[in-house]
Amino acid sequence: AQSVTQLDSQVPVFEEAPVELRCNYSSSVSVYLFWYVQYPNQGLQLLLKYLSGSTLVKGINGFEAEFNKSQTSFHLRKPSVHISDTAEYFCAVSDPDTGRRALTFGSGTRLQVQP
Amino acid sequence: SAVISQKPSRDICQRGTSLTIQCQVDSQVTMMFWYRQQPGQSLTLIATANQGSEATYESGFVIDKFPISRPNLTFSTLTVSNMSPEDSSIYLCSVGGALNYGYTFGSGTRLTVV
Repeated sequence: AQSVTQLDSQVPVFEEAPVELRCNYSSSVSVYLFWYVQYPNQGLQLLLKYLSGSTLVKGINGFEAEFNKSQTSFHLRKPSVHISDTAEYFCAVSDPDTGRRALTFGSGTRLQVQP
Repeated sequence: SAVISQKPSRDICQRGTSLTIQCQVDSQVTMMFWYRQQPGQSLTLIATANQGSEATYESGFVIDKFPISRPNLTFSTLTVSNMSPEDSSIYLCSVGGALNYGYTFGSGTRLTVV
């Protein structure tokens, strides 16, 4: 079964600085990869997803992620963060080859943007 | 993508009682998923609910504790039975897209058991 590792539980960063949130998954077979954001007391919002094709995926709110099959990684980046980006970010994986359609989530990374 | 209405948004319940959470989707979907997010934790899958068949539960979750109904392709309920303080969590429903693998989540139900 797939597993997801988010290496950083918290990432503090100053406003307008770049940020990278790291995500690694457990297998190099075909996968679908997702990043979600959860603002305080809210549900999950999809930032971006990788299903196939170009390894650089652009999402909402200026975020992008790069799929690296050899390193089994799907790191999330933003060149300049805002205070409003403060939230919990979850990486998730789906394994289409097994027929398991539910998502497996990483433990989450709390992004704290400071003025 | 689908829009999900989840109710209630929050509730405070007495131990030993049960709470039923509803999810209504604005389009027909084959699969619905129920997740639990314990305080400060990530999301854990409780079960997968397909219309017309019994829900499939993950290890550690049982039907007697978390009965699920899926009467049609747009609606599902999750009941948290005989609640204890350890059941205090956010419960979220989700639908999985067969066409584009976009997964949409409801806004969640924040449950506190006292």
